[in-house]
Amino acid sequence: QSALTQPASVSGSPGQSITISCTGTSSDVGSYDFVSWYQQHPGKAPKLIIYEVSNLPSGVSNRFSGSKSGNTASLTISGLQAEDEADYYCSSYTSSSTLMFGGGTWVTVL
Amino acid sequence: QVQLQESGPGLAKPSETLSLTCSVSGGSISGTYYWSWIRQLPGKGLEWIGYIFYSGSTYYNPSLKSRITISVDTSKNQFSLKLNSVTAADTAVYYCARMGKLGRWFFDLWGRGTLVIVSS
Repeated sequence: QSALTQPASVSGSPGQSITISCTGTSSDVGSYDFVSWYQQHPGKAPKLIIYEVSNLPSGVSNRFSGSKSGNTASLTISGLQAEDEADYYCSSYTSSSTLMFGGGTWVTVL
Repeated sequence: QVQLQESGPGLAKPSETLSLTCSVSGGSISGTYYWSWIRQLPGKGLEWIGYIFYSGSTYYNPSLKSRITISVDTSKNQFSLKLNSVTAADTAVYYCARMGKLGRWFFDLWGRGTLVIVSS
């Protein structure tokens, strides 16, 4: 079972918006609204920033938003800030009754 | 606030059993949450290992199922992972995490993680 596909890296200037894609199949992203996104700074544990496609956990900045279309989920970061420089991972429930993660995307703030 | 903390040996020998414990503080492990183990392999990849409910019911990643045991000790507010027959491919940072209420498939609280190296 392959990981969900994410771009290895995405970059943007402060204040800009960027979008990270997470491509799966009809057996995971395309069939379930159990897509979540995590932010991970180097040497730290992942932090939940989006759950069930588009829901924002309490305390997470509303600069983060999530969506899904077909087999692809997306995370958008608006008003990019230096503190947003980190790895971002998506995950999805699958038809095999397990959870799969994406390979991660490093976001660079130029 | 609820916090999770992993503990256990940082080194395991090939073919032996890796044992880790997650201590839950600031809240009870008994309730509506499920509790998971996740590992992060070198080179970043995250892999969900399995979860347990305070009642003891478990569900494991099919790819690891034959080698995993997750248990809970409600009196100590802890849950544990045993992974047997380890190889170098099991070298990773191991995290314990809390799943969404009633087993919803996301992790809203994570421990700091503990690095386990498998080497002779």
